Amino acid sequence: QVQLQESGPGLVKPSETLSLTCAVSGYSISSGYYWGWIRQPPGKGLEWIGNVYQSGSTFYNPSLKSRVTISVDTSNNRFSLKLNSVTAADTAVYYCARRSSLGGSSSWFDSWGQGALVTVSS
Amino acid sequence: SYDLSQPPSVSVFLGQTASITCSGDKVGDKYVCWYQQKPGQSPVLVIYQDNKRPSGIPERFSGSNSGNTATLTISGTQAVDEADYYCQAWDSRTYVVFGGGTKLTVL
Repeated sequence: QVQLQESGPGLVKPSETLSLTCAVSGYSISSGYYWGWIRQPPGKGLEWIGNVYQSGSTFYNPSLKSRVTISVDTSNNRFSLKLNSVTAADTAVYYCARRSSLGGSSSWFDSWGQGALVTVSS
Repeated sequence: SYDLSQPPSVSVFLGQTASITCSGDKVGDKYVCWYQQKPGQSPVLVIYQDNKRPSGIPERFSGSNSGNTATLTISGTQAVDEADYYCQAWDSRTYVVFGGGTKLTVL
């Protein structure tokens, strides 16, 4: 059974870069699937950030695309998120997840990490 | 951008049927999935590809999708079903889209 675990600083200063890593166990990233990041500001809904494939190809939320980089490290079975020029509006619980699909427009996240709270504050 | 709209809250009496809607332009042409999220927990997939249940999800959860509305139905709602529910679809331009979420209260 696949398990995902987020890690990274819980506090980031405004204008700096938020960096998180998702360690995957129970499944090899090299075997396939897209892997994604989703965030949830306190008391608010879910917002998709982006997905990365084993090959390194990516899809990003158009509203965040200019600030986001998602990369994959197959040798260590993990993938990472970088969000630059952060503000208080980027304060959220950040989740990593595995994205499944059966082709076409079908797309869902079937396994999620426990989430990591990142606060943007000076 | 493509948007999915959900009612902020839905209430249902214990044992009755709850219906949570997810509205979007021609959402029936897309596949919709649903997540359940309890306070302090990660989302859990309860329906994918409109009406399929992942292993371990009770049969009382079902889904449908047609026209401009997708619906999550919980039959014989139990107290443990009280949670936030989010719909999600994939759009060719905005890719992954989530609805705003619906808080289900079991009375």
